[in-house]
Amino acid sequence: GNSVTQMEGPVTLSEEAFLTINCTYTATGYPSLFWYVQYPGEGLQLLLKATKADDKGSNKGFEATYRKETTSFHLEKGSVQVSDSAVYFCALVQNNAGNMLTFGGGTRLMVKP
Amino acid sequence: GAVVSQHPSWVICKSGTSVKIECRSLDFQATTMFWYRQFPKQSLMLMATSNEGSKATYEQGVEKDKFLINHASLTLSTLTVTSAHPEDSSFYICSAEWSGPGNTIYFGEGSWLTVV
Repeated sequence: GNSVTQMEGPVTLSEEAFLTINCTYTATGYPSLFWYVQYPGEGLQLLLKATKADDKGSNKGFEATYRKETTSFHLEKGSVQVSDSAVYFCALVQNNAGNMLTFGGGTRLMVKP
Repeated sequence: GAVVSQHPSWVICKSGTSVKIECRSLDFQATTMFWYRQFPKQSLMLMATSNEGSKATYEQGVEKDKFLINHASLTLSTLTVTSAHPEDSSFYICSAEWSGPGNTIYFGEGSWLTVV
């Protein structure tokens, strides 16, 4: 079956540090890949997505590139802010399997001033 | 952009009572909606897939008689937790499939249920 593996948190960084949250996946075919973010007290929000190999999703300074050769979709940001503190979920959709999401376990990011 | 709204965001109920959570797609029609539950320190767990006009498809281990799902229209799905117990306290979240360009899935804001 499909699976998504994320690096375990919490990840603690100082403001303006570089962020990488690793995500690798197992799936057949060509899934679509997503990063979702859950800020404290809020629901999940779609952060960015990529639907095919070599696509780069980007939003709010975050980027992730769909790497089929390494089955990865690592999330990066060049300079994090305190407001980026949240839980980040990597997910995939097997496009021919009802579009149900498979989530990673989530990675909590804490950014200190 | 597409928006999915859940209501209520927070609910506290007494043991033995039932509580209903609504999931609405505000500006698009969703033939398929999904209900998830999030356990502490874990990712979301898919509970069931809700299809408009038909019975929901439940994941293994999810009690369909306890978690009643109704997808009465293309913009509304409801989850009713019947005879709630404290162990049902959790974060419940729905998502709706948007079949437009990009064919993505949008999440509701989630509903925090506390059973006392």
